[in-house]
Amino acid sequence: AQSVTQLDSHVSVSEGTPVLLRCNYSSSYSPSLFWYVQHPNKGLQLLLKYTSAATLVKGINGFEAEFKKSETSFHLTKPSAHMSDAAEYFCVVSFTGGGNKLTFGTGTQLKVEL
Amino acid sequence: DVKVTQSSRYLVKRTGEKVFLECVQDMDHENMFWYRQDPGLGLRLIYFSYDVKMKEKGDIPEGYSVSREKKERFSLILESASTNQTSMYLCATRTGNHEQFFGPGTRLTVL
Repeated sequence: AQSVTQLDSHVSVSEGTPVLLRCNYSSSYSPSLFWYVQHPNKGLQLLLKYTSAATLVKGINGFEAEFKKSETSFHLTKPSAHMSDAAEYFCVVSFTGGGNKLTFGTGTQLKVEL
Repeated sequence: DVKVTQSSRYLVKRTGEKVFLECVQDMDHENMFWYRQDPGLGLRLIYFSYDVKMKEKGDIPEGYSVSREKKERFSLILESASTNQTSMYLCATRTGNHEQFFGPGTRLTVL
C-alpha cells in the first residue's frame, strides 16, 4: 500500500524568507512523486514531478523538491517566498502497477505575510 | 493545453435527489478520475475509468456511481444525495507519465 504524509497542515512565512513544506511517503515500489498547488477558488496545478530521473526536481515559480529515498521524503522548497505563493499545496504519490491511482496528502496551507 | 471542464461550478440539491456531475476532456486521454475534496482530508478517489465503459472503484465509492459512454465524457452520479455528500468534486484526466490535469471543480451542497 502507498501513503503520503504532509507533516504540517499550516505553514506561515514572511515574504522573502525560505519556504519548506514537508512530505514523507510510503510505497512498496519505486514511486512517482508530485507536488500540486491550489490557489483559492482555482483548480489544482502541477508544480513539479519526480519520476526516477534526477533526484532534485525543479518546478514552476521557483519551487524545487528533492527525492531522498533513504529518508522517504520529498520536501518542497523555495528560497524566497512571494505573496502570490499563498495557497494550499498537496504532495502526491503514485507507483507503477498502482492501478493508475494517485494518493494525495491532506494538504499544507501556506500563508505568506508582509 | 489540456482542458478539463465540469458542468457546474456550484450546485445545490435536496436530500434524496439524483445528482449528475459531468466532466468533459479534450485531449483524448484514456484515464479519467473523480475525487472529492474536503478540508483536512485532501483529495479522495471515488471512481476512475481507464477506457470507455470501464470503471473501477476508488477509495470511497459508496453512494456514488459513474458512467463513461464516450471517451471524452465521465459522469459521476449520486443516486440519492445525502448531506454528507456536500463537498467539492474534482474531475481529472491522466497522461501516460502519471501527470493528472484537473477541472475547476463543482461545489455541491446537499440540503
